[in-house]
Amino acid sequence: ETGVTQTPRHLVMGMTNKKSLKCEQHLGHNAMYWYKQSAKKPLELMFVYSLEERVENNSVPSRFSPECPNSSHLFLHLHTLQPEDSALYLCASSQGSSGGWNNEQFFGPGTRLTVL
Amino acid sequence: AQSVTQLDSQVPVFEEAPVELRCNYSSSVSVYLFWYVQYPNQGLQLLLKYLSGSTLVKGINGFEAEFNKSQTSFHLRKPSVHISDTAEYFCAVLIIQGAQKLVFGQGTRLTINP
Repeated sequence: ETGVTQTPRHLVMGMTNKKSLKCEQHLGHNAMYWYKQSAKKPLELMFVYSLEERVENNSVPSRFSPECPNSSHLFLHLHTLQPEDSALYLCASSQGSSGGWNNEQFFGPGTRLTVL
Repeated sequence: AQSVTQLDSQVPVFEEAPVELRCNYSSSVSVYLFWYVQYPNQGLQLLLKYLSGSTLVKGINGFEAEFNKSQTSFHLRKPSVHISDTAEYFCAVLIIQGAQKLVFGQGTRLTINP
């Protein structure tokens, strides 16, 4: 595998379910991101992890819970979601370090989530 | 605060015609700008980026963009489009506050007609 992979690619869940989205990067990066892409809205940054520590949480509801066990893996745990949470969830990674700001973010293909 | 505005939500053009996708930004600090492309059912792929230096930036697939500081713009252009260029295009500005993060515009859907 190369680049950034995400599983599953599609997920349908009820409002009472608990599920997890997985992201894995094979690029040796040390920063990982979760974005939400809804119809007719700009991509919204949800969480940023740098060196496995969460450094950004953009007022995301607690029904979304990220986990970064190591620099290659990022999870998004989902529970008691609402229909308006249906969207494409994109994971990205980059190589960031002190002053190392100019490296692009590499995106995975996304997980298409539908909440019934 | 940094923000990005893409002025056109949809742009239809004929094959082999030129195209320009518009992007304006607002930023109170140094500006680092990006264009990403998203093909159907795929993630985002970097087309090009402006960090410093020449204001005319060339990217993949024959695209280029020009950074215009006085007009706070970073419009994307291609002289002759192909059917395969049909996709959604996103302009973004990079914010550096501890971790780096991208602020995206709303996206422009480019549709190429034969």
